[in-house]
Amino acid sequence: AQTVTQSQPEMSVQEAETVTLSCTYDTSENNYYLFWYKQPPSRQMILVIRQEAYKQQNATENRFSVNFQKAAKSFSLKISDSQLGDTAMYFCAFMSLTQGGSEKLVFGKGTKLTVNP
Amino acid sequence: DAMVIQNPRYQVTQFGKPVTLSCSQTLNHNVMYWYQQKSSQAPKLLFHYYDKDFNNEADTPDNFQSRRPNTSFCFLDIRSPGLGDAAMYLCATSSRSWETQYFGPGTRLLVL
Repeated sequence: AQTVTQSQPEMSVQEAETVTLSCTYDTSENNYYLFWYKQPPSRQMILVIRQEAYKQQNATENRFSVNFQKAAKSFSLKISDSQLGDTAMYFCAFMSLTQGGSEKLVFGKGTKLTVNP
Repeated sequence: DAMVIQNPRYQVTQFGKPVTLSCSQTLNHNVMYWYQQKSSQAPKLLFHYYDKDFNNEADTPDNFQSRRPNTSFCFLDIRSPGLGDAAMYLCATSSRSWETQYFGPGTRLLVL
């Protein structure tokens, strides 16, 4: 079974600075997706970024970028120029693509990020 | 705007009194999911529908049931809520099971 580990339960960063959230995963699969989801306080979970395992290039979305190290099974999220609105719980998630139509997200336990003014 | 809608946002029920949570979507997605998320924990998948095909997780208690009468709507029924069922319940949809999931705002259930 796949597992996702987020080793930082809580982090804080000053506004405008850069922060990196760690995520490692364990799988024997070769074909999968990785995700970072953001869940702001009392608001819905939204997708931040997605990475296909077959792509060597790291995904980026504006201020958000990932460092995907497939051999090391590491998938960290870098947030540049942190903003107060980035305060949220961040979940790393894994999805195997070999389940024949029953693909599921496996979530890590989350990292609570606080951006301080 | 296309979206995933959950009603109600907050639900209070009594111990043992059946309760139904609702999810609707305007994305016309084939797959709908129900997750349970307890405080400060990761979402836990309860079950999902791929079109009309129901897929239950092995560790989902029998107390939890689901219905999907059409593409747009999906319901979560808790037949006899216990105190341990107090949680946030998240609905999500995706166009295919391997595609990105879009989440609703959740329904927070309180069991008295």
